[in-house]
Order: sequence, then structure tokens, then C-alpha cells
Amino acid sequence: GQQLNQSPQSMFIQEGEDVSMNCTSSSIFNTWLWYKQEPGEGPVLLIALYKAGELTSNGRLTAQFGITRKDSFLNISASIPSDVGIYFCAGQLRESNQFYFGTGTSLTVIP
Amino acid sequence: DVKVTQSSRYLVKRTGEKVFLECVQDMDHENMFWYRQDPGLGLRLIYFSYDVKMKEKGDIPEGYSVSREKKERFSLILESASTNQTSMYLCASSLGGSQETQYFGPGTRLLVL
Repeated sequence: GQQLNQSPQSMFIQEGEDVSMNCTSSSIFNTWLWYKQEPGEGPVLLIALYKAGELTSNGRLTAQFGITRKDSFLNISASIPSDVGIYFCAGQLRESNQFYFGTGTSLTVIP
Repeated sequence: DVKVTQSSRYLVKRTGEKVFLECVQDMDHENMFWYRQDPGLGLRLIYFSYDVKMKEKGDIPEGYSVSREKKERFSLILESASTNQTSMYLCASSLGGSQETQYFGPGTRLLVL
């Protein structure tokens, strides 16, 4: 399957700090999605991106569809303890209905 | 709001048992997917379906089968459960079309003894 490289693998930050994570691929994607997963739960959709260069916000979260169509970025501003979880990217190839997933970024927020 | 439900949150089965995992979505979505999630391996696609009675193999179909008799329901079947099928199983659905978004159920954590 396609490889999506997600980094960093884990982050430990102080409450109030900003967070950045990204996903990259060697393939061109049509769609990028960002999810958050809490322990024992399914992933919950945070942001969907459909156009190269698109920048979309959801509260304190902002995500961007990279201009090359091969990457995407997620930023969380002013982190709070409930931001703790694993964040996944997912990309859909132009010629496919399948999604491919990054291995996740585990976020820990220290109060 | 899209709702994807899975029949069980936790299951414990014995090696060799036949296991059924059920998934139901209430948004008339065309596409449904089954993934398994394991530490360090991320989400891996087992099977997916674009229409009733239609199925396609994903990346790791061995040891699994699926059934989609109705649009809203997609079942994952482990014909003879093995210990290496202990995992978190996630069902997802999507509308179909040019701007796809997948919505996930809460997951079923399966332990095969």
C-alpha cells in the first residue's frame, strides 16, 4: 500500500503551547483528512481538505493541503489537556476511493 | 450527524471460532470499509464495498470475509479466529463522489484466546 509518513511520532508539550505535525507522501493525493483518536475509541474527523493550498480551521485547529498535493499539515494553537490523543492523517489518491493512513502522532499535554 | 455503529465494543473469542463483526451506518452512504488497527502498524484496510453485494479486497484480506446484503450494513467475518487476529477493528463509511470523507465507528476490540 501507499506510504504516508507522519511526524513527529509523539509530542510532549506544556499546556498553552502550539503544536505542529505533518504528513508527507511520494504520491499525489486528492483529499487529505485529519482525525483524532482517544484511547479505546474510533477516530473522529477533525478537518477535511480537498484543494491544493487550501487552509481550513476548526476552532484552535488549522490544517493545510500542501501545494504539491503530496503533504498536509495540522496545527493546534494554545493546547489544552483535552487535546491529548493520537492524531492521524489520511490521504486519498486521485485515481482511487481508498484512503491511506499515517501511523499517527501521539500528543501529550502537560498541565 | 453521521452515525456509524458497531455491534460490540469488546469481544473475547476462542481460537477456531467463527466471529461476526457488524457495522451499520445511518446516512445512506455508498461505501463501507473494514480496517484493523495494531500498535506501530496504523490502520490497515481489510475489505471494502462500494455497493450492496459488492466487495473488494484491501491490503490484508487473508483470514477474513465480508458480507453486504443491505446498503446500511457491512459485516466482517472471521471464519476461524486465530490469535494473530487479536486487534482493534474499525468500520468506516463514506458517501461516495468527488469529495470523499470517511466516518468511523467506535471500534470493536477483539481478543482471541
